[in-house]
Parts: sequence; C-alpha cells; structure tokens
Amino acid sequence: QQQVKQSPQSLIVQKGGISIINCAYENTAFDYFPWYQQFPGKGPALLIAIRPDVSEKKEGRFTISFNKSAKQFSLHIMDSQPGDSATYFCAASYSGAGSYQLTFGKGTKLSVIP
Amino acid sequence: DTEVTQTPKHLVMGMTNKKSLKCEQHMGHRAMYWYKQKAKKPPELMFVYSYEKLSINESVPSRFSPECPNSSLLNLHLHALQPEDSALYLCASSQEGAGGTIRTQYFGPGTRLLVL
Repeated sequence: QQQVKQSPQSLIVQKGGISIINCAYENTAFDYFPWYQQFPGKGPALLIAIRPDVSEKKEGRFTISFNKSAKQFSLHIMDSQPGDSATYFCAASYSGAGSYQLTFGKGTKLSVIP
Repeated sequence: DTEVTQTPKHLVMGMTNKKSLKCEQHMGHRAMYWYKQKAKKPPELMFVYSYEKLSINESVPSRFSPECPNSSLLNLHLHALQPEDSALYLCASSQEGAGGTIRTQYFGPGTRLLVL
C-alpha cells in the first residue's frame, strides 16, 4: 500500500523533445507529490510538487499532471535539453501528524541526446 | 535559501575506524533526516529528528549513531562499518508542525562513503 510505481526505468529523448515519466500510487492518504531531480554524485533536488486539489502545475518547462481518480501523476519536460539528463524520482507523502516518510518511486534515468 | 550542507564530501574508512558525518541547515527547519542511497536506487530513510529528538529509527544497525546537537546541526557517527555500508549518505531537512504540515524535504549534496 505504500508503494509508488514509476515508469519507465530509463528514457532516451532527442533534444527539443518531450520527456514523460509516469507514477502510480495506491495509498489514498497521500496528499503531497514531489518530483526530485538527481545528478550523478549529487543529492536529490526538489524540482516541482503538487497537491491533489489541482490537476496540473507548471513551472517553466516542467509540468506535473495529476489524476486523482486514477491515482496517477506524471512529469512532462518540454523542450528537453542535454542538461536535463539526470535521474528523476517521483515521491509521495501525507501530511498527517508525525508523518515523515517520503515514499519514492524507483527512479527514471533520462538521457537527452543532442 | 534552501541549502543543506554536508561534510565531508567524500570519506574512505576502514572497518575499525570511527568517523562522523556532519549536516547543517539554516532554514529554521525543525525536522532533519538521514538517508542512505545505493547506486541506481532511491534514498532509504534511516533516522528522523523532530525538534532535536529522535522520532524515527528505521531499524538501522547500531554501528550508525545519529546525534542532533541543536536545531541546525545533525551528525551521523560511524563505527565498525562493513563494506556493504558504502553508499551516498544524504541529509535532508523540512519544516515541522502538527497534522496538515507539508514536510517538503530539502536534501544536501551527500557524503560519498567507501568502507574498505
């Protein structure tokens, strides 16, 4: 029930293309869904996050789409650039008292080729 | 400023050594976390401190000993580690509060640990 399933495991996109990473969850108590970007040898950096009361959130080239009924959310990277090449983790948590767990997906390694 | 700093960046230690990892944040966050991350895997939660008190210990072996000296600092003391403990050790921090608080976690750059 705590799992977040992420796909694909790896993704190769041409420069300028759209990268799409999908995640699905089971626990309906989750109410916060962040995406983290991690470069090799670095810590994960918060990229963008969404709460289930909105269906879409956009920050620059990055958009989260959220489907509450399907319990799915996805990250879209528009106009993908080689500098976007990194591992992306979706995650989920809930804001109940004493809740600290971030449930991560297994990650997607994105390679943007020139 | 959403910066979490960690020292050292790299650490090599033998199985009989004692070493410490240090984490610092000045965002006023009252929850701090230690994670372990193996290659090609997501971070795994080890410990959580809330208001300088240990809240969560995810059944971590006693050779890892956390310490939170004050609201800005978090240490991880290492003793008699095994080669399989080699990993990237990440510190994170977040706001703290009652139920309904979104605990957005901000991660540090990590310490790359190699145990020989």
